[in-house]
Amino acid sequence: NAGVTQTPKFRILKIGQSMTLQCTQDMNHNYMYWYRQDPGMGLKLIYYSVGAGITDKGEVPNGYNVSRSTTEDFPLRLELAAPSQTSVYFCASRVDTAGNTIYFGEGSWLTVV
Amino acid sequence: GQQVMQIPQYQHVQEGEDFTTYCNSSTTLSNIQWYKQRPGGHPVFLIQLVKSGEVKKQKRLTFQFGEAKKNSSLHITATQTTDVGTYFCAGTRTGNQFYFGTGTSLTVIP
Repeated sequence: NAGVTQTPKFRILKIGQSMTLQCTQDMNHNYMYWYRQDPGMGLKLIYYSVGAGITDKGEVPNGYNVSRSTTEDFPLRLELAAPSQTSVYFCASRVDTAGNTIYFGEGSWLTVV
Repeated sequence: GQQVMQIPQYQHVQEGEDFTTYCNSSTTLSNIQWYKQRPGGHPVFLIQLVKSGEVKKQKRLTFQFGEAKKNSSLHITATQTTDVGTYFCAGTRTGNQFYFGTGTSLTVIP
């Protein structure tokens, strides 16, 4: 049981470059989330999805885009990377609002230089 | 926007001492969750509290949800070195968006 899988684990981007962080879950969860965590800080919600075809903004959506074409996949797109986007990114999933546990991926460390 | 504050930011304890972290929300929450994150790791779900005044225990960990559903606490009795990590609370009003606190980093000195 793989759970929530994120790729890549580490990436260095140049300012202005674009990239996609991939997230896949094999638990048939409806809810999926993208968080970012800056050093020594808590997690900030970027985007979330309550099901295939449905996405919504979180606290810090600027500079990011998401899509949810399938239940399993929830990619996060950075269009024009900026140094302020240097962070650790976590994808997470949950079966629905009745489900207690949110399962996190292992994180993607992104540095923008 | 909704804010979830957590104190203290850091706590150093001798092994065997107790530890408590507190979480306070600017708004009434529908439920609150607690997570543990080891250095370099990802958050791991510990528990969810839903009812006003609810108290739940997991071995040496005691979780409490305030009567007004705006604050919560996590208490660890007789800390062990395996308790090292950062403890986060995360609250929600709707069940969709969880707002994380800034976390309390626990260091246990053997």
